[in-house]
Amino acid sequence: AQSVSQHNHHVILSEAASLELGCNYSYGGTVNLFWYVQYPGQHLQLLLKYFSGDPLVKGIKGFEAEFIKSKFSFNLRKPSVQWSDTAEYFCAVNGVYQTGANNLFFGTGTRLTVIP
Amino acid sequence: SQTIHQWPATLVQPVGSPLSLECTVEGTSNPNLYWYRQAAGRGLQLLFYSVGIGQISSEVPQNLSASRPQDRQFILSSKKLLLSDSGFYLCAWAPPRDRRNQPQHFGDGTRLSIL
Repeated sequence: AQSVSQHNHHVILSEAASLELGCNYSYGGTVNLFWYVQYPGQHLQLLLKYFSGDPLVKGIKGFEAEFIKSKFSFNLRKPSVQWSDTAEYFCAVNGVYQTGANNLFFGTGTRLTVIP
Repeated sequence: SQTIHQWPATLVQPVGSPLSLECTVEGTSNPNLYWYRQAAGRGLQLLFYSVGIGQISSEVPQNLSASRPQDRQFILSSKKLLLSDSGFYLCAWAPPRDRRNQPQHFGDGTRLSIL
């Protein structure tokens, strides 16, 4: 079965600092990978996704993530964070069952706090 | 465009009482539907998913059940709530199985507190 590990539980950064959140997954086959973000008091939103092609994917609000197949990783990055990036970030891996339900397996999340 | 609605937003229930959380999707047909529970420090745990009316799959054994009486309606229920059922419940939808490689889209969630 698939599993996802996010090793950083809480990250605190100052504005303009660079961000990298780690995500590792375990699955032997082809994967679809996602980063979701949950801003305080808001619903979970898709930040970016990887299905195939260029392993470096760009999402909304200046975020990007790189899929490194050999390392089973999909780390999220942003060169310069803003206070408004304060949120919880979830990495997720797609698991496609015979039913085609496209189930997602989520990591435990990383809480990012950006200090003005 | 597609939208997903969950209600209620907040619910406080006594132990042993029944539960019914509702989720509806608009603007799409035959979606895959999901119920997750989000617990602090534990991420999102998939509870149930459904690929069609009356088709429910459970991911983890628990005190809860799910039903899909209509194509775009997904209900999470319990006959007798336990303290451990407290949490934040999220409903999500994704395009149907013939359109793979699509992300899931989440509702606003229901915060359930059991007293």
